[in-house]
Amino acid sequence: SQTIHQWPATLVQPVGSPLSLECTVEGTSNPNLYWYRQAAGRGLQLLFYSVGIGQISSEVPQNLSASRPQDRQFILSSKKLLLSDSGFYLCAWNRALEQYFGPGTRLTVT
Amino acid sequence: QQPVQSPQAVILREGEDAVINCSSSKALYSVHWYRQKHGEAPVFLMILLKGGEQKGHEKISASFNEKKQQSSLYLTASQLSYSGTYFCGTLGGADGLTFGKGTHLIIQP
Repeated sequence: SQTIHQWPATLVQPVGSPLSLECTVEGTSNPNLYWYRQAAGRGLQLLFYSVGIGQISSEVPQNLSASRPQDRQFILSSKKLLLSDSGFYLCAWNRALEQYFGPGTRLTVT
Repeated sequence: QQPVQSPQAVILREGEDAVINCSSSKALYSVHWYRQKHGEAPVFLMILLKGGEQKGHEKISASFNEKKQQSSLYLTASQLSYSGTYFCGTLGGADGLTFGKGTHLIIQP
């Protein structure tokens, strides 16, 4: 069966520090992968999606970037975090249009 | 464009019914429903692909009116476990989802 992992689960980082969040999927090959952000008390916003290795599309301009170095690995990065980057970051993958989320990373920028 | 959900919040007693609506200003080809508990990731409930399609999951069902560009989620005889925030989503680029702002459902004993 397919599973999706994210780490770390929680992270507290100072403003201006770098960020790297990792997502890996098991049990499937060449999945579409997605990064979403949910600000506190808000809805889910699609940030990036990837249909294959090295292929990244950005949905909104921002302080973040994404990379897909391997088929089942998706990384979200920032060179310098802003306070507004705080939120709940969710990785997701598709199975026949059904989208499944990982457990998420809760990021607090202080 | 973001789908519009209504109501924003619902408070029910256990055993009561609720309806959550989701509408879009653009043509809908599918509607995706999720439930999110506080502090957790959203959980997939169901997807409706065809106009007029109805589906059920436990005592939760949904309908999709393609012509009216809207979907409704029905919760029958609600249980405490149904509490959470319900999101509808519509497809975007590479099947990424654009979600509504969510409907907060509180079930009281």
